[in-house]
Amino acid sequence: GAVVSQHPSRVICKSGTSVKIECRSLDFQATTMFWYRQFPKQSLMLMATSNEGSKATYEQGVEKDKFLINHASLTLSTLTVTSAHPEDSSFYICSASRGSYGYTFGSGTRLTVV
Amino acid sequence: AQSVTQLDSQVPVFEEAPVELRCNYSSSVSVYLFWYVQYPNQGLQLLLKYLSGSTLVESINGFEAEFNKSQTSFHLRKPSVHISDTAEYFCAVSEGGSEKLVFGKGTKLTVNP
Repeated sequence: GAVVSQHPSRVICKSGTSVKIECRSLDFQATTMFWYRQFPKQSLMLMATSNEGSKATYEQGVEKDKFLINHASLTLSTLTVTSAHPEDSSFYICSASRGSYGYTFGSGTRLTVV
Repeated sequence: AQSVTQLDSQVPVFEEAPVELRCNYSSSVSVYLFWYVQYPNQGLQLLLKYLSGSTLVESINGFEAEFNKSQTSFHLRKPSVHISDTAEYFCAVSEGGSEKLVFGKGTKLTVNP
């Protein structure tokens, strides 16, 4: 079946540094990927829609300059949290659209900013 | 704008008991409906989905959900749960033609022995 690999699964970084999270579709091409953020005991909130070869579309309230998204190929999208702060600590999940076949989710990245 | 309501944040049940996890949505257009399951510190796995056709959809592990357009609901049911069904369950909706998914807040199902 379709697999989306998300890396790293866990990362701890110091406040003020940047962290890059990768999302790869392993056996299919994904022209559209999505980035979600999940707070403890809450639902997934869509942060942005990533389209291959074009700029990402951010949801209202999400800072474009803080959460940089790059979708340079049909199998890779990256989310970079710049100048991370403790309030950015969260669980980040990516998903890839497979058209009529639906969506495949990555296994998530637990980011802790200390 | 579309929204998804999962009325129960937590549902504790005993093993082999039936369970229903409720999901209601609001949308002014046709929708696609999904149930996802999330185990601790993992991503989401698709449980089942409704796109069109039969309003009753089933998963391979015994769950089923019924799309009820008049009640704008897509409740998830299982006649007999197992300990391994303990997880967080999310209902999601996308409006026809859109790739965006809107999620409910989730229901934590805990199956006790």
